[in-house]
Amino acid sequence: SQKIEQNSEALNIQEGKTATLTCNYTNYSPAYLQWYRQDPGRGPVFLLLIRENEKEKRKERLKVTFDTTLKQSLFHITASQPADSATYLCARTDSWGKFQFGAGTQVVVTP
Amino acid sequence: NAGVTQTPKFQVLKTGQSMTLQCAQDMNHEYMSWYRQDPGMGLRLIHYSVGAGITDQGEVPNGYNVSRSTTEDFPLRLLSAAPSQTSVYFCASRPGLAGNNEQFFGPGTRLTVL
Repeated sequence: SQKIEQNSEALNIQEGKTATLTCNYTNYSPAYLQWYRQDPGRGPVFLLLIRENEKEKRKERLKVTFDTTLKQSLFHITASQPADSATYLCARTDSWGKFQFGAGTQVVVTP
Repeated sequence: NAGVTQTPKFQVLKTGQSMTLQCAQDMNHEYMSWYRQDPGMGLRLIHYSVGAGITDQGEVPNGYNVSRSTTEDFPLRLLSAAPSQTSVYFCASRPGLAGNNEQFFGPGTRLTVL
């Protein structure tokens, strides 16, 4: 079966450092990978999308990479701030709109 | 725009009771879906709709019904609640079917079935 896996252990990081999250998938390469942020008691909020033929995408302090050889996407938060503390979800999507979400990785940024 | 709204925010049911979770969006999105989120698991698709009058099953549809009479509303019905349906439920919408469309999520309904 197709799987999408994120590190279940929380990532504790000091303010100002770069947080790096991993999203691994099995079987076919998705057409797109999307990343969402989820705060406690709230719904996920879209952050970034990267296409299969893109290596890297940036938005402000966020950077996403997509390596189809490793079947992996990395999500980076540079110059992290306590306000970045949240759970981050990755989702693989195909061209037909089928979404498959990972369980998410919690990030805790301490001052 | 209010985006995607859900009611209620919290609900406690007894086994065997039925209820409807409400979802509405004001973005004129054609595509709407219902997910459940359980600890340690990714969001799992229950049912989805590609437009008014059209619905289909997702990954975990058993025990749930949906209908889509208008573009705005997409209620989820629990027919006979079971403890296994204790979860957080999210409604989502997006403007198109393709996978490059971002999803807009509601705030969620936390359901406990005793």
